[in-house]
Amino acid sequence: GAGVSQSPSNKVTEKGKDVELRCDPISGHTALYWYRQSLGQGLEFLIYFQGNSAPDKSGLPSDRFSAERTGGSVSTLTIQRTQQEDSAVYLCASSLHILGAFFGQGTRLTVV
Amino acid sequence: TQLLEQSPQFLSIQEGENLTVYCNSSSVFSSLQWYRQEPGEGPVLLVTVVTGGEVKKLKRLTFQFGDARKDSSLHITAAQPGDTGLYLCAVLYNNAGNMLTFGGGTRLMVKP
Repeated sequence: GAGVSQSPSNKVTEKGKDVELRCDPISGHTALYWYRQSLGQGLEFLIYFQGNSAPDKSGLPSDRFSAERTGGSVSTLTIQRTQQEDSAVYLCASSLHILGAFFGQGTRLTVV
Repeated sequence: TQLLEQSPQFLSIQEGENLTVYCNSSSVFSSLQWYRQEPGEGPVLLVTVVTGGEVKKLKRLTFQFGDARKDSSLHITAAQPGDTGLYLCAVLYNNAGNMLTFGGGTRLMVKP
């Protein structure tokens, strides 16, 4: 596609359920990022993939969060046993070089 | 302490006024990016500056990279309601110098 695509755009889940968020980056982009944004706040870094290198997971808030990137392309962010504090917009971005990153529209997660 | 400190955090002005927002750090960077995020959307790249002292103009927006490449400013002339949004600066920063790291952002509201 022409841009970064995220799905679903909205997700409502019950507390304690697992959720999977998907990111399709721009074709050929080697770097992929996941961020979380709470209402009215800035971007909170979660995880970073760069080519075939081991991902930088330093931003993941707990072991309930995990992410993978298959074949250097599509990425899935999984949140297990969701809690109400996990409610936020989850943003994915991809980039090829130093000149900038391109973001998807985000997935708005609501845990009830 | 955040790597990138943005100020002010919030700014509310009337249409037609000028404004400047800042992005400061004690570290030196090879490049710096500015993004704008509108409500319900992902951030969109506005500009990348790479040379100390560089000035780039994008219509009514003027971006400057500090001579020492530690800071940057964004000046908006004759602000319009369409300029409303969250302005984020970002740099590539980690041990490998290639992970996109954001400041906390400046939330701008331009009233008609």
